Amino acid sequence: DGGITQSPKYLFRKEGQNVTLSCEQNLNHDAMYWYRQDPGQGLRLIYYSQIVNDFQKGDIAEGYSVSREKKESFPLTVTSAQKNPTAFYLCASSTEGANGYTFGSGTRLTVV
Amino acid sequence: SQQGEEDPQALSIQEGENATMNCSYKTSINNLQWYRQNSGRGLVHLILIRSNEREKHSGRLRVTLDTSKKSSSLLITASRAADTASYFCATHTYGGYTGKLIFGQGTTLQVKP
Repeated sequence: DGGITQSPKYLFRKEGQNVTLSCEQNLNHDAMYWYRQDPGQGLRLIYYSQIVNDFQKGDIAEGYSVSREKKESFPLTVTSAQKNPTAFYLCASSTEGANGYTFGSGTRLTVV
Repeated sequence: SQQGEEDPQALSIQEGENATMNCSYKTSINNLQWYRQNSGRGLVHLILIRSNEREKHSGRLRVTLDTSKKSSSLLITASRAADTASYFCATHTYGGYTGKLIFGQGTTLQVKP
């Protein structure tokens, strides 16, 4: 079945540590996105990528980094510069024209 | 930046009743989409309405769009307990990257059996 896979489902980070969240899709979608969701809140865009080897900052990119070396993969690194990383992270993909995103099931990141 | 504002923030109804959620936005849009999120899960795309459309149906869902008022509504008819979830509107705006969506804060719907 086609879809988006995010891993891990739960992730714990120590203070000062970088962690990487995985996002893989087999939908042949060109565009991929990372969103952050805080409790009771909507989604805020972190980074997005239209095409391999190209990505753009979203509204809250500080403290995060991404890469897009393959069409299928768009990993997100939460760096130690992100001061409040505890949140639910959602990856999505779409065809050109935003005719509906397909979302992964999310990664819940907690700082311990 | 959040473009969409949803109303109400929370809604509780009995099974069989209709549920209406509203979304307002600020700038001109290309299309508006509604998504559903079950607790702790990803979002699922429900329906898309383009700026030149006024109403769209999909099963028990009915979406309206009023571009003059910059607002949309989602109606779920004959609600079921399984409809319990958060519902988000998302707007696709002109300019910049064509595929970028901006999401509202969401409406939490509880359907009591």
